[in-house]
Parts: sequence; C-alpha cells; structure tokens
Amino acid sequence: SQQGEEDPQALSIQEGENATMNCSYKTSINNLQWYRQNSGRGLVHLILIRSNEREKHSGRLRVTLDTSKKSSSLLITASRAADTASYFCATDAFGNEKLTFGTGTRLTIIP
Amino acid sequence: KAGVTQTPRYLIKTRGQQVTLSCSPISGHRSVSWYQQTPGQGLQFLFEYFSETQRNKGNFPGRFSGRQFSNSRSEMNVSTLELGDSALYLCASSLTATPQETQYFGPGTRLLVL
Repeated sequence: SQQGEEDPQALSIQEGENATMNCSYKTSINNLQWYRQNSGRGLVHLILIRSNEREKHSGRLRVTLDTSKKSSSLLITASRAADTASYFCATDAFGNEKLTFGTGTRLTIIP
Repeated sequence: KAGVTQTPRYLIKTRGQQVTLSCSPISGHRSVSWYQQTPGQGLQFLFEYFSETQRNKGNFPGRFSGRQFSNSRSEMNVSTLELGDSALYLCASSLTATPQETQYFGPGTRLLVL
C-alpha cells in the first residue's frame, strides 16, 4: 500500500519556471526523502528531511515538511529540460523501517 | 566506484515459469532492498537484506523470495509466474540498514510475463 500521495500526478511547465510538487502521507514518520526517476530507470536520491526539520535546501531544490499536516513539498527552481522525470516522496515511519514510496509526480519541462 | 548493477536488464517469461534476478550492490554496501514497480501499484517494497539476513518483508505472496550472499550480492526469485508479475524490479543498496541512509538504485530488470 502507498504511504504517500503526490500531487499533482502530472505537471508541465516552461523551462526556467519553478516547479512545485506535494506529498501527503498517512502516519507519523521518522524521515521523508525525495527521489527522481528518469523514464523507467532507477531512482536517484535527491534530498532527505528529518521529522524535526521544517525546511531544507540543496542546490535548486527546496523541501519543506509540515508534520502537523502530514505533508511535504518539493520546489525546483529555474527548471531545466534535464529535470523532466518522475518525482517520488518516500517515508519511513516509527516502528516500520522499510521505505514506502508515494505515487509520484510526472514533471515535463517544455524547452 | 561502480554503481548498482542488475542482471538481466530485460526478461520475457511465460506464465508458470520461474525467474531469478540478480543485484550487485555498490562495493562496501551491506544492505540490499528490492522493489516492484508497476503502473497500477507504483513502487512496492519486496524485501530487504543486511549481512545475509532478511530484515524486512513487504506484502507479497510466498512465490517471491530472495537471498543475500556473503559478498552482499543478492538474488530474488519469483516462482509460478503470473501475468501480474510483469513489472520493473529495482534493487537498491546502502551502507547500513538504517532507513535514513541514502539508497542507491540500479537500473532495474524489466520482466514481461506472457
């Protein structure tokens, strides 16, 4: 079963614009991670945010976490064609250490 | 350092057959996890191995099994294949078995069951 659901399911934006995608989850978590997957290939880890953190940055990525709303958002600034991919959030929960992935957001950057 | 490798990359089988997939983790990584990815169910956790011991198992039938060898290489086996087993099977390795450890994914094995 899916712990997280990403929203929107699909997003198309012009190159240079910012892209925001959201993840909602159901149970209390230890950590939340974001991964990228290019066209049915393996996933690449982007960033991890712990449950006691509210915001984290890595290059053009900004992740926020609101544990009261059980949600996280991933912002990609100044998008590039190479950012075209599917983005997944993944959580590990208290008493359940296995990583559980969300449904993913398919991001398309239009050159 | 070489990444996670999975063999074979593509596989076609028929219903009722059995299949074995292989995963070689990044050198030094002792934890290997397996996932099944389908359009309908998304990414589903299969199992995790650390130092040759299964630590966690997902909600899959007993037809799905795995093992890990002393060199950390892992195999998963699916017996009596069903059409619904068609999927991309991904393995990921990490240094330890702690969830916050970054997982490094292989390119996957795409299995088609006819």
